[in-house]
Amino acid sequence: AQSVTQLDSHVSVSEGTPVLLRCNYSSSYSPSLFWYVQHPNKGLQLLLKYTSAATLVKGINGFEAEFKKSETSFHLTKPSAHMSDAAEYFCVVSDSNPGGSYIPTFGRGTSLIVHP
Amino acid sequence: GAVVSQHPSRVICKSGTSVKIECRSLDFQATTMFWYRQFPKKSLMLMATSNEGSKATYEQGVEKDKFLINHASLTLSTLTVTSAHPEDSSFYICSAIASGRGQRSYGYTFGSGTRLTVV
Repeated sequence: AQSVTQLDSHVSVSEGTPVLLRCNYSSSYSPSLFWYVQHPNKGLQLLLKYTSAATLVKGINGFEAEFKKSETSFHLTKPSAHMSDAAEYFCVVSDSNPGGSYIPTFGRGTSLIVHP
Repeated sequence: GAVVSQHPSRVICKSGTSVKIECRSLDFQATTMFWYRQFPKKSLMLMATSNEGSKATYEQGVEKDKFLINHASLTLSTLTVTSAHPEDSSFYICSAIASGRGQRSYGYTFGSGTRLTVV
């Protein structure tokens, strides 16, 4: 079984300050983990993914995430927020073992609000 | 690479009519596609998993006769909302995963979504 918990429903930051969006997961096998971003009335865009290679994953638009197995976490960070980063962010987990479920499980989402 | 095209982006239909939504993988073959429904300010709810050449697997609580899914080729899956009612109004999103390489290469690629409004 797999699950994912996004610890914050909303995160509010000022433009130019760091961003931290938290995600914890549980998985029976070696997980693949993803972060997606969704702008209003748009589809989902892949920011980055972890698939058992380097634990620090760099994505698009300056975002990165670190896979910490001991903490079962995959938090998303960015050093300096931009107004265009305001959106909904989803953490997704999927078991990568062929014998496990490969259907992605979504977190509830975190709304990132960026103030001028 | 790994682009999924979803069409239409918006549709308004009258209550009682049917609406078809298409999901195409443009530059890869997708043996598996997923259909999601998203309610306002909510996460995505998986409706069904569509496998090319076989019947879709529906999640519990999703009406098979209302949400017809067809995955006739490796690049196309369709969702038909039959006899639509206002409560079916929602944002529908498809997702595809590349066959063979799977999620390790592409992850799950999502369409841009379809905003369905039933009046």
